[in-house]
Amino acid sequence: EPEVTQTPSHQVTQMGQEVILRCVPISNHLYFYWYRQILGQKVEFLVSFYNNEISEKSEIFDDQFSVERPDGSNFTLKIRSTKLEDSAMYFCASNRETAYGYTFGSGTRLTVV
Amino acid sequence: KNEVEQSPQNLTAQEGEFITINCSYSVGISALHWLQQHPGGGIVSLFMLSSGKKKHGRLIATINIQEKHSSLHITASHPRDSAVYICAPRVDSNYQLIWGAGTKLIIKP
Repeated sequence: EPEVTQTPSHQVTQMGQEVILRCVPISNHLYFYWYRQILGQKVEFLVSFYNNEISEKSEIFDDQFSVERPDGSNFTLKIRSTKLEDSAMYFCASNRETAYGYTFGSGTRLTVV
Repeated sequence: KNEVEQSPQNLTAQEGEFITINCSYSVGISALHWLQQHPGGGIVSLFMLSSGKKKHGRLIATINIQEKHSSLHITASHPRDSAVYICAPRVDSNYQLIWGAGTKLIIKP
């Protein structure tokens, strides 16, 4: 069964450093999403992406965050200058149409120290 | 007030028991997802439904759009069903998911 692949599975970074989280969505999917889950809390929506542009973003997704689909297969989330409170599990998801179900990646656990 | 309420928050049961997890929501939705989050953190989509009932193996999901309520049932529960189960309605206006806090299920052998 097709999978959404996320790398790395765990990243530790120093506060203030830039990080790039990578996702390879399912190849025929058109809609892409990033979510995050702070330990012990609910999953939160960050951003959705369609047709090479952001279609929706939450209040969390401020100027420190950006997304890109640089080569037609990867979908990346960049955090420019990480803060301690960015420590969370970050999930990528994709679907073919918004009316369809989502496929989630297994997540990247980001730890900012 | 939370837009999505799940109950119970925690549930411990013996192997073989019939499990019910409930989800109520307050917004207009076009569909609702039930997801399973494993202890390692990964999320798996179990169901997406917009009316009636769906069944997959020992899992059954029902939804009543008029009453803004959905349930997830597990028949003949097994320790491997232990996970967090999350209800996530899809908002009608922008197709975004709003996430419940999850129900932590532990099935004891």
